[in-house]
Amino acid sequence: NAGVTQTPKFQVLKTGQSMTLQCAQDMNHEYMSWYRQDPGMGLRLIHYSVGAGITDQGEVPNGYNVSRSTTEDFPLRLLSAAPSQTSVYFCASSYSWGGPYNEQFFGPGTRLTVL
Amino acid sequence: KNQVEQSPQSLIILEGKNCTLQCNYTVSPFSNLRWYKQDTGRGPVSLTIMTFSENTKSNGRYTATLDADTKQSSLHITASQLSDSASYICVVMRMDSSYKLIFGSGTRLLVRP
Repeated sequence: NAGVTQTPKFQVLKTGQSMTLQCAQDMNHEYMSWYRQDPGMGLRLIHYSVGAGITDQGEVPNGYNVSRSTTEDFPLRLLSAAPSQTSVYFCASSYSWGGPYNEQFFGPGTRLTVL
Repeated sequence: KNQVEQSPQSLIILEGKNCTLQCNYTVSPFSNLRWYKQDTGRGPVSLTIMTFSENTKSNGRYTATLDADTKQSSLHITASQLSDSASYICVVMRMDSSYKLIFGSGTRLLVRP
């Protein structure tokens, strides 16, 4: 099992450009999510999905879109990049949602810089 | 307000020594508390998950404690190794329909030879 994979590892964008961060998992997990990690702050939830075809917003969704057409893939789209979106982005998955022992598995992250 | 606060922000110890990291939370209603280890340039990896009824859980040299009455948790690392150098993140899950995870900002630990 590769676990949770993310591409690219690093990306530099100019303000206004769009791009898609890729996330895939091979553990047949229903729940997938995207977080951003900024210096001195805890991870913050951007969007999440409880299964194929079902997505919802987290606490910082503005400027980002997601879709979930398959169980395995959960791409994150930046519509028009802004310097405030400079961050490290993590994708995570778990077998289901809720419950005390539902362990989340994180990908290696994508470091994004917006100039 | 639902918050998770960790202390210290950073810590330097010598290899072989023990250390304890602290986590205080105000998240309510409470479901469970998790400790993650995050190596530089990598994603967080789960160390322990504890519900309100568990007050101690170990994972090798890592021992987490939970006091649900005072809303405090600690992570104790025994006989530290250079590979323990990482950020340690405390996370609390809310017990409601959102099952939201509230992340602390982490404690950065450096183990020196």
